[in-house]
Amino acid sequence: DTEVTQTPKHLVMGMTNKKSLKCEQHMGHRAMYWYKQKAKKPPELMFVYSYEKLSINESVPSRFSPECPNSSLLNLHLHALQPEDSALYLCASREGGNSNQPQHFGDGTRLSIL
Amino acid sequence: SQKIEQNSEALNIQEGKTATLTCNYTNYSPAYLQWYRQDPGRGPVFLLLIRENEKEKRKERLKVTFDTTLKQSLFHITASQPADSATYLCALDMRRDDKIIFGKGTRLHILP
Repeated sequence: DTEVTQTPKHLVMGMTNKKSLKCEQHMGHRAMYWYKQKAKKPPELMFVYSYEKLSINESVPSRFSPECPNSSLLNLHLHALQPEDSALYLCASREGGNSNQPQHFGDGTRLSIL
Repeated sequence: SQKIEQNSEALNIQEGKTATLTCNYTNYSPAYLQWYRQDPGRGPVFLLLIRENEKEKRKERLKVTFDTTLKQSLFHITASQPADSATYLCALDMRRDDKIIFGKGTRLHILP
């Protein structure tokens, strides 16, 4: 089991639906991340939150909307997605302060867009 | 342009032998280099971190080297086992923000 918990594990949605992905960590980490990963590719950074503030947005389309309600929770709101958005969405956290800390990943949400 | 390259997309190694994976980078100056393991359908799991002023780091059967002159890291698994079969990702940490940058990964298959 990982220390970063992502729900749901699988999600199938139509292009007109609105859904949210959830990520939770209770390690006291101050940085949280969303990544998108396609098959046989490395994780691709989408967003970074540092101390609950959005610090990095890697030019992600606005149909993806991140939210950090508190230091333990990270959400990714999805709306009007395209079939090419089907992927594994990974959440990660990091202790922060010193950048010699590794990232801790959840096992992801497998998203399929019909 | 900036690049991170891992030597091969896939690598087959006989059980019991040493597996060596390579990570090369250009036009980056990482302060730290990390290695992760990823199994199918799972998130990456951190294995080892090496600093720019360190030459070598070990953990059980794992060894990482870091040569900032060659801009290369080598990742070794000694006495390899079929359970070591996975994708291995190297990642660069620049120390200037919260980002780490992943290489494309090497799929390692340990053959029994």
